[in-house]
Amino acid sequence: GAVVSQHPSWVICKSGTSVKIECRSLDFQATTMFWYRQFPKQSLMLMATSNEGSKATYEQGVEKDKFLINHASLTLSTLTVTSAHPEDSSFYICSARGQGSSTDTQYFGPGTRLTVL
Amino acid sequence: GENVEQHPSTLSVQEGDSAVIKCTYSDSASNYFPWYKQELGKGPQLIIDIRSNVGEKKDQRIAVTLNKTAKHFSLHITETQPEDSAVYFCAASKGNQGGKLIFGQGTELSVKP
Repeated sequence: GAVVSQHPSWVICKSGTSVKIECRSLDFQATTMFWYRQFPKQSLMLMATSNEGSKATYEQGVEKDKFLINHASLTLSTLTVTSAHPEDSSFYICSARGQGSSTDTQYFGPGTRLTVL
Repeated sequence: GENVEQHPSTLSVQEGDSAVIKCTYSDSASNYFPWYKQELGKGPQLIIDIRSNVGEKKDQRIAVTLNKTAKHFSLHITETQPEDSAVYFCAASKGNQGGKLIFGQGTELSVKP
């Protein structure tokens, strides 16, 4: 149980285009989903927290107009990187936190490698 | 805000030896402490977690200890195997109060056969 998927697993795009990444909780309902960014050899950096049906809360320094987050259902959240540039190239990982007694446990997706040319 | 320090940054052990990774946290209100294992190119995988009402938890070769007074917690892996080689992250959160995880810097564990 507690499986989180991400799609796509990797994407290459041209500078100036937008890219959408999907995060799904496959076998549980996720009241909260988190989006992280990770650079090589570094820890995970939280970008934003999204609760189903409400606007995402962004961490300081993260541009909300550049990284659009939608959490339309209890099993799906999307991250759209708008007008991507090479500096946006990174490993993007989502996590989901479910309902029930272990609501503080986060389960992570496999990540999406974004390369912007 | 919360800050989590993790040591060492790299750890190399011989197969069969034990490995210990230590973390300290700053916010005494933190009450949930998970450990994640991340293999190259993959997402973090939860391997064990502990809540503040417990001092120790064990799952086969993996154990976690928590010292609330000193605000530190440790991951212990016994009888290490080459497949234990990965980056390990500790984290802390205030549980249901928002649930944001604050991660340590990570430890790259290498188990040599």
